[in-house]
Amino acid sequence: DARVTQTPRHKVTEMGQEVTMRCQPILGHNTVFWYRQTMMQGLELLAYFRNRAPLDDSGMPKDRFSAEMPDATLATLKIQPSEPRDSAVYFCASGTGTGVSPLHFGNGTRLTVT
Amino acid sequence: AQKITQTQPGMFVQEKEAVTLDCTYDTSDPSYGLFWYKQPSSGEMIFLIYQGSYDQQNATEGRYSLNFQKARKSANLVISASQLGDSAMYFCAMREGLTGNQFYFGTGTSLTVIP
Repeated sequence: DARVTQTPRHKVTEMGQEVTMRCQPILGHNTVFWYRQTMMQGLELLAYFRNRAPLDDSGMPKDRFSAEMPDATLATLKIQPSEPRDSAVYFCASGTGTGVSPLHFGNGTRLTVT
Repeated sequence: AQKITQTQPGMFVQEKEAVTLDCTYDTSDPSYGLFWYKQPSSGEMIFLIYQGSYDQQNATEGRYSLNFQKARKSANLVISASQLGDSAMYFCAMREGLTGNQFYFGTGTSLTVIP
């Protein structure tokens, strides 16, 4: 089965450090989404891309977060500098970009910022 | 207005019984898709079932069925013959339009299956 691959699975870092999360979407999928999940806020959309172009990143704190797709096989989410409130599970999901197709999620990156 | 509303934060069901998880949605787009995802305690998000706005029949996938009532804008998930492994969070989601760029998720329902 084709899967969305996210690395790392877990990340513990100190406040102020840079964190980079990576995502390999399913081959042939042209939309990529980044979500953050916390107990308090649930699933929050951070950014999404279509054909590698960012379509919406309004959910992302621009001063510290950045999302890119350097090529069709790699999406990155970077936090610099990280803060304790960034502790969450970050999901990447990919899809084919049509209304009928579901998003396929990676297993997430559990980030803890101390 | 919320795009997806799940009003049941938590539900309990006896093993082997059926359970319905509620979902209502809000859209003015005539073309949309409705999805249900399962998130077990291990954390992964698993796609369960899909219903298109133009589909005439309710979607079914094994023990999962979607009770689609378009006029009421509801898309309830029915799980038949509940199993202990069905204990998880369940999320309803919607994708609008033919291009379907945006995905909207509900807040989820926590289902516990009691032996």
